[in-house]
Amino acid sequence: DIQMTQSPSTLSASVGDRVTITCRASQSISSWLAWYQQKPGKAPKLLIYKASSLETGVPSRFSGSGSGTEFTLTISSLQPDDFATYYCQLYDTYSQGFTFGPGTKVDIK
Amino acid sequence: QVQLQESGPGLVQPSETLSLTCTVSGGSIRSYFWNWIRQPAGRGLEWIGRIYLTGGKNYNPSLKSRVTMSLDTSKHQFSLNLSSVTAADTAVYYCARGMEDFDGDRWSNWFDPWGQGTLVTVSS
Repeated sequence: DIQMTQSPSTLSASVGDRVTITCRASQSISSWLAWYQQKPGKAPKLLIYKASSLETGVPSRFSGSGSGTEFTLTISSLQPDDFATYYCQLYDTYSQGFTFGPGTKVDIK
Repeated sequence: QVQLQESGPGLVQPSETLSLTCTVSGGSIRSYFWNWIRQPAGRGLEWIGRIYLTGGKNYNPSLKSRVTMSLDTSKHQFSLNLSSVTAADTAVYYCARGMEDFDGDRWSNWFDPWGQGTLVTVSS
C-alpha cells in the first residue's frame, strides 16, 4: 500500500502569510492528487484536483503543484477564512483504492 | 447542483450491522462513482468504498470483509452496510460523489460534492 505523509502536521501562521503544505507518497504515484479543506463540524470541501486544477469558486490564492512522490498546496496570502485542516488524497490506480493524508491543521499564530 | 444527504440510525449496538443511505438530488446517479468515507472524532479521513452503475465495487481492504454497498437508481440512493461493528467504527460517515478523469497520461480521481455527514455511535 502507498502511504501518505503531510508536513507540517500543524502550522501556525498569520493573516497575509504565504503557506505551503507538502504531501509525500511512499512511492511514486501514477495519478494526480486532490486537496481538501475541512472546518470543524463540516464536510471536507474540494480545493484542488488533478494536482493543480482549481475547483470552481475556490479563491485563486490556493494553488497546487507536484508529481511523482511530492505534492504541495500553497496559499499565497492567508485569509481569516483559511484557518482549517487540509487533507491530500491520492488514488491508487493499481488497487483502485483511495488514501488520505493525515492532515495539516492551519491555526492562528 | 448535485446534493447528497446521508440518513440512518445514529446508534448501533456492538456486533450489529450499521446501515446508511445516501440520497442524491439535483443530478443523475447513473453516472460517476458513489463513495462512503468516514472520520472518527478528532481524526483523519478513511475511504470505505465505492460503487458505480455497472455494478462495480471497490472496497478498502481493511474493511472489505465487513462492507457491502448497493445502488438503487429508481430511488436515487446508494447504501452502505457495515457488519459486526465495534466501538472502533464510531465515526462521522460521509457519502460523496467520485469524479474521474484521464488526461492521456495519468488518472485523476477526486470527491465532490460531499454530504454533510452523519454521526454513528456504536454502543450498547
